[in-house]
Amino acid sequence: GAVVSQHPSWVICKSGTSVKIECRSLDFQATTMFWYRQFPKQSLMLMATSNEGSKATYEQGVEKDKFLINHASLTLSTLTVTSAHPEDSSFYICSASSGYGYTFGSGTRLTVV
Amino acid sequence: QKEVEQNSGPLSVPEGAIASLNCTYSDRGSQSFFWYRQYSGKSPELIMFIYSNGDKEDGRFTAQLNKASQYVSLLIRDSQPSDSATYLCAVMVSGTASKLTFGTGTRLQVTL
Repeated sequence: GAVVSQHPSWVICKSGTSVKIECRSLDFQATTMFWYRQFPKQSLMLMATSNEGSKATYEQGVEKDKFLINHASLTLSTLTVTSAHPEDSSFYICSASSGYGYTFGSGTRLTVV
Repeated sequence: QKEVEQNSGPLSVPEGAIASLNCTYSDRGSQSFFWYRQYSGKSPELIMFIYSNGDKEDGRFTAQLNKASQYVSLLIRDSQPSDSATYLCAVMVSGTASKLTFGTGTRLQVTL
């Protein structure tokens, strides 16, 4: 089946620093990658959609200058949280469309202190 | 009105019973419907998807779709303690670049 590898699985960073999260499709080509954020006891909220070789499309209310998305190849998409603050602490999950539907990465737990 | 609604639960069923999870959606342009299971602290994993009205069975799971009434349900037969998790309903609306909209999920507890 389709596998999306997401790293790191958890990260703690200081307020004001930047954090990069990587998602790789291991056995298929992901032309489109979706980035979600999930706060405790809440559902997944789509942040942005990234397409290989083009600029990401951000959902309303998501700051594109704060959440930088790069989808430079068919197998790699990255999300960089810039100048992170405690309110950015959340569970970030990527997802890609494959022949098996939508496959999710394992998620990244970000804690900003 | 939320686009995808689910009862947050918890829904408690005894081991071996049938668990019934429901989901309603507001956009009649919705074309694809997904059920995901999410364990605490983990990412969602796909259980099954359904496109057409009626029932779709996969092992102990049956998805039911009624587009006229705008609801989709998931039945879990012979519920096991390992089925205890949050079940997320997701909907894809045509013309939205394949984006999924998730409900808030229903927490299922299977008791011994």
